[in-house]
Amino acid sequence: QSVLTQPPSVSGTPGQRVTISCFGGGSDIASNYVYWYQQFPGAAPKLLIYKNNQRPSGVPDRFSGSKSGTSASLAISGLRSEDAADYSCATWDDDMSGWVFGGGTRLTVL
Amino acid sequence: QVQLQESGPGLVKPSETLSLTCTVSGASFSSHYWSWIRQAPGRGLEWIGYIYYSGTTKYNPTLRSRVTISQDTSKNQFSLKLRSVTAADTALYYCARGYCSDGRCPYYEYYMDVWGRGTTVTVSS
Repeated sequence: QSVLTQPPSVSGTPGQRVTISCFGGGSDIASNYVYWYQQFPGAAPKLLIYKNNQRPSGVPDRFSGSKSGTSASLAISGLRSEDAADYSCATWDDDMSGWVFGGGTRLTVL
Repeated sequence: QVQLQESGPGLVKPSETLSLTCTVSGASFSSHYWSWIRQAPGRGLEWIGYIYYSGTTKYNPTLRSRVTISQDTSKNQFSLKLRSVTAADTALYYCARGYCSDGRCPYYEYYMDVWGRGTTVTVSS
């Protein structure tokens, strides 16, 4: 059971906008920055969003992040087939004094 | 370009010790945190622990009694040892760099920005 809660799957059609939610609590999301990662099988996880809403260089502006209270969201606009992947949220947990992750969300592009 | 590469045995017997090494290239070992993370089949990512270049370590409380993370800065490597493994330790193991984006961060804001591709470890007799 992951500390942060994400929907197991989301889907969308090309060009559509989809959002992936990440729910936590007062000692994790509410108190610290949220990060988002993209995973493809056999590849290194890639940092998509850092510090709630910042994009590393090279990440398209189709990807955006937001946080409010104990939850965060990743939005992907102009959906493309190559966006089909697993997405995970992460944050620091003050109670555990360590990093915690969501269970991951599989995005399917129909 | 920063790259991390995990290496170690892919098969470990129950009750034995899992040992993995992460080799870092393209980056200085200093001024960063270096983490191990794992992902069991069908599960989410789980942070195992980190080591700071100064030698300070921090571990996930659920694994603390069985984990040791160490480093060899002369080789730009850090290592994971997980003792008394069981089938529940079967997972894809990743190493990652903890990075501070603005040069002055508390330890909990060194986020994992570059990851290795991971290595699969199976615990089985």
